[in-house]
Amino acid sequence: AQSVTQLDSQVPVFEEAPVELRCNYSSSVSVYLFWYVQYPNQGLQLLLKYLSGSTLVKGINGFEAEFNKSQTSFHLRKPSVHISDTAEYFCAVTLRGSYNTDKLIFGTGTRLQVFP
Amino acid sequence: EAGVVQSPRYKIIEKKQPVAFWCNPISGHNTLYWYLQNLGQGPELLIRYENEEAVDDSQLPKDRFSAERLKGVDSTLKIQPAELGDSAVYLCASSLGLYINEEQYFGPGTRLTVT
Repeated sequence: AQSVTQLDSQVPVFEEAPVELRCNYSSSVSVYLFWYVQYPNQGLQLLLKYLSGSTLVKGINGFEAEFNKSQTSFHLRKPSVHISDTAEYFCAVTLRGSYNTDKLIFGTGTRLQVFP
Repeated sequence: EAGVVQSPRYKIIEKKQPVAFWCNPISGHNTLYWYLQNLGQGPELLIRYENEEAVDDSQLPKDRFSAERLKGVDSTLKIQPAELGDSAVYLCASSLGLYINEEQYFGPGTRLTVT
């Protein structure tokens, strides 16, 4: 079965330090990949997505991610985090399901905690 | 532009009682999703509508869950009767077109507690 693995449930980091949130997926076919962020008491918001083309994808708020097909990974990075980046981050991949309809499969999330 | 609106934000009910959640998507968005998010987990799709048609309800427990999207705009998700295991956050999302690679806009969710 298709799946998404976020290897770290929590990532603590100090402000202005770099961060990488890891995501691996299992798929034998081409996929679309996404990163969503969920701030406290808010809905999920799209950070960035990979559909095709350049493997380095830039998103909002200074985040970027790199698609690595050979390692089936889509890790999220930011060179210098801010307190305001404290949130839950979800990696997601498309899956062709029943009724020949695509759906998003989400990972379990990584809690990024930025300390001053 | 208003985002996806959900109500209520919180709901506490006793088991075996019915409950309903309401979602108003972003104006003009054709696709609407209902997701279930358990504590410490990512969202899981319950049902997807393209306009007023449910095109994927394979993960909806149809013995107790039902949903509708009349006139292809607002949507209601109902549980009857609720069970303790239904305690979770129910998320609604919408997207402009019909393709899975489009951005989904999420509402803040309804947190359901079944006692």
